[in-house]
Amino acid sequence: DTGVSQNPRHKITKRGQNVTFRCDPISEHNRLYWYRQTLGQGPEFLTYFQNEAQLEKSRLLSDRFSAERPKGSFSTLEIQRTEQGDSAMYLCASSNRVTGTQYFGPGTRLTVL
Amino acid sequence: GQQVMQIPQYQHVQEGEDFTTYCNSSTTLSNIQWYKQRPGGHPVFLIQLVKSGEVKKQKRLTFQFGEAKKNSSLHITATQTTDVGTYFCAGQGNSGGSNYKLTFGKGTLLTVNP
Repeated sequence: DTGVSQNPRHKITKRGQNVTFRCDPISEHNRLYWYRQTLGQGPEFLTYFQNEAQLEKSRLLSDRFSAERPKGSFSTLEIQRTEQGDSAMYLCASSNRVTGTQYFGPGTRLTVL
Repeated sequence: GQQVMQIPQYQHVQEGEDFTTYCNSSTTLSNIQWYKQRPGGHPVFLIQLVKSGEVKKQKRLTFQFGEAKKNSSLHITATQTTDVGTYFCAGQGNSGGSNYKLTFGKGTLLTVNP
């Protein structure tokens, strides 16, 4: 399968713990995006990478959130000191140009108890 | 910032009836992308519209992009139970700074009664 993959698919954690999610984009795509989706809402943009450079972070991304894409391939999203309000589906997408189609991965569903 | 409104929020139809969802952006868009999300699933790309006034068809689905590139619609003819899901429109901006991220509408949840 050459689509976007994300791991883990589900994560349950206790409030205050740190969690890390991984995204592997489509191999020829140099642009990678993270979105967050809560129930009944559309995905909301979090951050964007072109190759290894993180070009924008949304105001939704508090200081507890950090994302990396060290070699311009896979990306990680870390949430420190999780809060119940962080519970959501975290979606990764990739594209091969700025106005290209964004293809989404299956997401990581985070539940913070 | 850019906002994308989508109506209706919910639509329940009898199998065989038509369905339409409408999308309106607060700003002119570079392009608009439509996605379908099944319950428990992730957004799956349907189509991208780029040109002013563009109309594209995929079998029973017809997508339109407005002349001003601020609105769009998706029409499904003769719905089937397999059409069930939430349909999202997502716009990409037209200004240099943020023309990469998608701004999603809240989606229209379509349910189909067999």
